[in-house]
Amino acid sequence: ETGVTQSPTHLIKTRGQQVTLRCSSQSGHNTVSWYQQALGQGPQFIFQYYREEENGRGNFPPRFSGLQFPNYSSELNVNALELDDSALYLCASSLTGDGSPLHFGNGTRLTVT
Amino acid sequence: DQQVKQNSPSLSVQEGRISILNCDYTNSMFDYFLWYKKYPAEGPTFLISISSIKDKNEDGRFTVFLNKSAKHLSLHIVPSQPGDSAVYFCAASSHTGTASKLTFGTGTRLQVTL
Repeated sequence: ETGVTQSPTHLIKTRGQQVTLRCSSQSGHNTVSWYQQALGQGPQFIFQYYREEENGRGNFPPRFSGLQFPNYSSELNVNALELDDSALYLCASSLTGDGSPLHFGNGTRLTVT
Repeated sequence: DQQVKQNSPSLSVQEGRISILNCDYTNSMFDYFLWYKKYPAEGPTFLISISSIKDKNEDGRFTVFLNKSAKHLSLHIVPSQPGDSAVYFCAASSHTGTASKLTFGTGTRLQVTL
């Protein structure tokens, strides 16, 4: 059974650029969610995807968008990057999306300069 | 507005002793609570959870206690081991909210010393 895998592990971008982060869900899981963890903070919910549809969103602007594919893998896209977008981005998957427990990947560390 | 609070940023405990990590919440809609452990360069790993219909859940060395009237939960680790050294996050969710939306605290760094 493969766990949640994320790519890339690290990324450096310039303010104003766009970035795409990728996630492969744990085998058998059909729900994926994305979290942002800023330095010294806990993870913050960005959004959840179920059956390729956004199924809940946290307090993040529209320039944060996502996709879920038929194989349940997912992408997080961030447009017009800002310095405050520098953070660890975590992908998590679950079977029914009932919130417990989520299985997290190791994250993508994004630095915006 | 921090709905889940972990007021102790760090805790140091001697090996073999009990570690007690605390968490407070403000949202009365929360009905499911979880603890995650995080090592550096890894994602959070699920540790233990508790539903609001219980006041205690135990799994090996780990026990979570929930006091709904005080909106407080705690994680007890007995006995503590050096491998337990990590950052521990408390998280909460509501069955009326988005399924995967967990609200996390800011974490407590536990160091277990020899």
